[in-house]
Amino acid sequence: DADVTQTPRNRITKTGKRIMLECSQTKGHDRMYWYRQDPGLGLRLIYYSFDVKDINKGEISDGYSVSRQAQAKFSLSLESAIPNQTALYFCATSEEGGTGNTIYFGEGSWLTVV
Amino acid sequence: AQSVAQPEDQVNVAEGNPLTVKCTYSVSGNPYLFWYVQYPNRGLQFLLKYITGDNLVKGSYGFEAEFNKSQTSFHLKKPSALVSDSALYFCAVRDSGNTPLVFGKGTRLSVIA
Repeated sequence: DADVTQTPRNRITKTGKRIMLECSQTKGHDRMYWYRQDPGLGLRLIYYSFDVKDINKGEISDGYSVSRQAQAKFSLSLESAIPNQTALYFCATSEEGGTGNTIYFGEGSWLTVV
Repeated sequence: AQSVAQPEDQVNVAEGNPLTVKCTYSVSGNPYLFWYVQYPNRGLQFLLKYITGDNLVKGSYGFEAEFNKSQTSFHLKKPSALVSDSALYFCAVRDSGNTPLVFGKGTRLSVIA
């Protein structure tokens, strides 16, 4: 089983619909992240959380919200999806503290907004 | 704020030849540098990182990277490329503060048999 699990792996949704991407991890890490990947733009940070009570905006948080339900769970929501949110979304985790700590990624969730 | 530049969108190399994927960075203070690889339809996998110490870092699958502070670079290298190395490679950096990783735009490596 994967250490960082994302559901759904693929989703097609309509403009204006609410969609939630879920992430769970078994690595016991405190820190969790949501990134978005677009061709030619690399990975951009949407939100991150250093512990259950901590939520921080990343580079491109507009149009997104998150919830840290537990140490192991971090969900990303699009309240009203729009076509330019079509992208590959990655959840990731890392250990607390230590600026050298490695980030571990899930397999990604393909989201298409039509 | 930290930033990363990968100046090449695509790198083509013949199998058996050495390969280099370039990365330059900008941070305040000491950099913490990473390379990740993404195979088709997969998540990003950690290859190697530089935190401190020896400027030449060895990582997975025979890859290595050289930290050059004066040139603010962290180029990824491999002495002999394999077709199976074909993938998308990302350089990433964080500063010495409590900030998340910032990624470059990626370089697509194509190794031709």
